Amino acid sequence: KAGVTQTPRYLIKTRGQQVTLSCSPISGHRSVSWYQQTPGQGLQFLFEYFSETQRNKGNFPGRFSGRQFSNSRSEMNVSTLELGDSALYLCASSRLAENTGELFFGEGSRLTVL
Amino acid sequence: AQTVTQSQPEMSVQEAETVTLSCTYDTSENNYYLFWYKQPPSRQMILVIRQEAYKQQNATENRFSVNFQKAAKSFSLKISDSQLGDTAMYFCAWAGTYKYIFGTGTRLKVLA
Repeated sequence: KAGVTQTPRYLIKTRGQQVTLSCSPISGHRSVSWYQQTPGQGLQFLFEYFSETQRNKGNFPGRFSGRQFSNSRSEMNVSTLELGDSALYLCASSRLAENTGELFFGEGSRLTVL
Repeated sequence: AQTVTQSQPEMSVQEAETVTLSCTYDTSENNYYLFWYKQPPSRQMILVIRQEAYKQQNATENRFSVNFQKAAKSFSLKISDSQLGDTAMYFCAWAGTYKYIFGTGTRLKVLA
């Protein structure tokens, strides 16, 4: 069974640009959540989707957005990039509709903003 | 708002010895779950252990066990017989209503 796939793995952008990251969950998993990982800050929750609906979001500015498609694949977008957006962005999927089960993580997309 | 605090940024332990990683959390919700995740260097995050908050019995998975003190909102991870492969970042996490909150992590190094 294929794991969670995130693309691209690495990318470099300049300030003011926008970026779109993609996440394909494990087959059969309908919940997808996104996290920003930076040294010293740990993982910061961005948002969670289930069946194309955003059920919760973290405390990030509106420049961070996401969506989920009918096949459960998810994308997140960051507009007007800032230097502080440099981070590892992790996607995780879960089989259960409730937040009780294990999260399965992808390898992440490492974004560098210059 | 929920918070998760890991007060030990870095720890080290000799191979075969026991180490305890601490975690405290704050929540006003009654139904939640607690987790420890492991992130080995340059590898994917994986689940170590899971605890249902409504269960008083501490969870155990082989060499990994937790000390769950609900009233104190404490959730520590004990690793027995530490192995070199246990070297990783360890994250404590709280899961509530469609939301996960992670701590800042503890970098554990197992020394040969």
